[in-house]
Amino acid sequence: SAVISQKPSRDICQRGTSLTIQCQVDSQVTMMFWYRQQPGQSLTLIATANQGSEATYESGFVIDKFPISRPNLTFSTLTVSNMSPEDSSIYLCSVEDYRSNYGYTFGSGTRLTVV
Amino acid sequence: GQQLNQSPQSMFIQEGEDVSMNCTSSSIFNTWLWYKQDPGEGPVLLIALYKAGELTSNGRLTAQFGITRKDSFLNISASIPSDVGIYFCAGQETSGSRLTFGEGTQLTVNP
Repeated sequence: SAVISQKPSRDICQRGTSLTIQCQVDSQVTMMFWYRQQPGQSLTLIATANQGSEATYESGFVIDKFPISRPNLTFSTLTVSNMSPEDSSIYLCSVEDYRSNYGYTFGSGTRLTVV
Repeated sequence: GQQLNQSPQSMFIQEGEDVSMNCTSSSIFNTWLWYKQDPGEGPVLLIALYKAGELTSNGRLTAQFGITRKDSFLNISASIPSDVGIYFCAGQETSGSRLTFGEGTQLTVNP
């Protein structure tokens, strides 16, 4: 399967600050996906990031709060802006993975705590 | 939007027992995926299903894509302690469209 490196693996941040999460894939992929997993909950899609175009955000998520970059076919970043304790979650990137029979492979996640 | 109902929410079983969990959808899906998530890790793909009626195995795991395309189940046979974790189903309406995840089944296996 694709190998996804996600950084940082965890962070504790002050409210009002911003954190940028990086996702690096070992192969070129068309679409990269960013998910949020709140404590004890399932995964919720934040946005889909295509190289060379603006990300497509799901209902309830906006670009000002979660700006995304996709500078090339192997890399993306998600920024959590102006954080509040409600943003404390695990943030995961994912790609459609032809090496796993087109299932979706996930990074190991970034565990964010906002204090 | 689509809704996925996954059950049970949690299971406590003895080592060696078989386990079954399922997901039902309000919409038709073309793809069903089953994932396992260990603490501090991202979900790991277990089985992918692409055809109605398809039955696929991966070691002690077996999953089926329901005939109506609105449901799927996952069975784990002869459970072992390392099966502990959260299992998620996920459905996809069409290739390349968003995944919808179930709420997860927390599995505990007592040695």
